[in-house]
Amino acid sequence: AQSVAQPEDQVNVAEGNPLTVKCTYSVSGNPYLFWYVQYPNRGLQFLLKYITGDNLVKGSYGFEAEFNKSQTSFHLKKPSALVSDSALYFCAVRDSVGNTGFQKLVFGTGTRLLVSP
Amino acid sequence: EPEVTQTPSHQVTQMGQEVILRCVPISNHLYFYWYRQILGQKVEFLVSFYNNEISEKSEIFDDQFSVERPDGSNFTLKIRSTKLEDSAMYFCASQWGLAGVDEQYFGPGTRLTVT
Repeated sequence: AQSVAQPEDQVNVAEGNPLTVKCTYSVSGNPYLFWYVQYPNRGLQFLLKYITGDNLVKGSYGFEAEFNKSQTSFHLKKPSALVSDSALYFCAVRDSVGNTGFQKLVFGTGTRLLVSP
Repeated sequence: EPEVTQTPSHQVTQMGQEVILRCVPISNHLYFYWYRQILGQKVEFLVSFYNNEISEKSEIFDDQFSVERPDGSNFTLKIRSTKLEDSAMYFCASQWGLAGVDEQYFGPGTRLTVT
């Protein structure tokens, strides 16, 4: 089965500094990878995805992620953090069989990002 | 921008009672999902639904759970006899595409508390 791991429970960064939230994956076949963000008392909001193509994927709110096949990683990055980026970030991988439309997502345990002023 | 909506936002029920959680997916989407998140834990897949049928379900989705799309807009999750361990945030999600590469759009969730 597909899986993702987020090794850090929490990441602390000062506003204006670059941030990285780590994710590694384990898949059979081609990985379909996603990042979602969860603000307090809100649902999951899609940030970006990697399906194929360029290893650097750009997403919402200035976030980007770098797909690295050799290291089986898909780290989320932002050049300059904002206090408003403070939230819970989830990495996810598609875990569905074959070339179907169904897309069961398997989520990581989440990383809390805390951006200090 | 279209969004997935869920009602109620919070449901408190007694153990053994039936609950129905409601979702209105984005109108032109074809695939529908329920996930749950027990407090402090990761988001877990429950069930996927397409063309009025369950396409896949997890081990969590036992006989106490059922899903339905009673009309063209609503998508419901029913728990027939709730248990304490069913307390969680339940998220509905919808997806448009047929290729399985489109992102899912999640609703704000229903917090279910079983006492």
